[in-house]
Amino acid sequence: AQSVTQLGSHVSVSEGALVLLRCNYSSSVPPYLFWYVQYPNQGLQLLLKYTTGATLVKGINGFEAEFKKSETSFHLTKPSAHMSDAAEYFCAVTGFSGGYNKLIFGAGTRLAVHP
Amino acid sequence: DAGVIQSPRHEVTEMGQEVTLRCKPISGHNSLFWYRQTMMRGLELLIYFNNNVPIDDSGMPEDRFSAKMPNASFSTLKIQPSEPRDSAVYFCASSLEQGVRHFGDGTRLSIL
Repeated sequence: AQSVTQLGSHVSVSEGALVLLRCNYSSSVPPYLFWYVQYPNQGLQLLLKYTTGATLVKGINGFEAEFKKSETSFHLTKPSAHMSDAAEYFCAVTGFSGGYNKLIFGAGTRLAVHP
Repeated sequence: DAGVIQSPRHEVTEMGQEVTLRCKPISGHNSLFWYRQTMMRGLELLIYFNNNVPIDDSGMPEDRFSAKMPNASFSTLKIQPSEPRDSAVYFCASSLEQGVRHFGDGTRLSIL
């Protein structure tokens, strides 16, 4: 069965510092991988996705993630944090279960950005 | 483009009352999902519809919860009778592509 583990429920960085949010997955088949972001009082929105092809994928707001099969990882990075990046971030993987492709979310990582 | 529209945004009611949450998915999307989000349990999938047909309702907590999708542009999630432990943010999401979900802004439900 597919699963997702996000390392660190809270991450705090300084404005301008590198953002690194960690995600490891478990999948018995080639995975589709996603990062979603949730700002306060809003629903989740898609940041980026990996399906096939290039393993480094770029998303909105300067974020990118790299699919590393050997490490079963899909970490999210951004070179320079902005105050507006403060939000909760969810990694997700698709997995066939119950007769259809489910989207399985990690528990989320709350990113704080301080001046 | 209009996104997923949920109503109401906030609902406060007393336990035992019936609660109805509404969702209008993005036009053309063939999948609709209801999720519940709480601090304790995180994001939980309640029910999944494909082409207006319920495919997976294994996440519906108990018989007090029911969901319908009478047509491609409307869905409801009903709780009857409501209990304080049902307090949460309820999200509707629609999709046309595997793994890609378009979420509404949610309904914040408080049961007193």
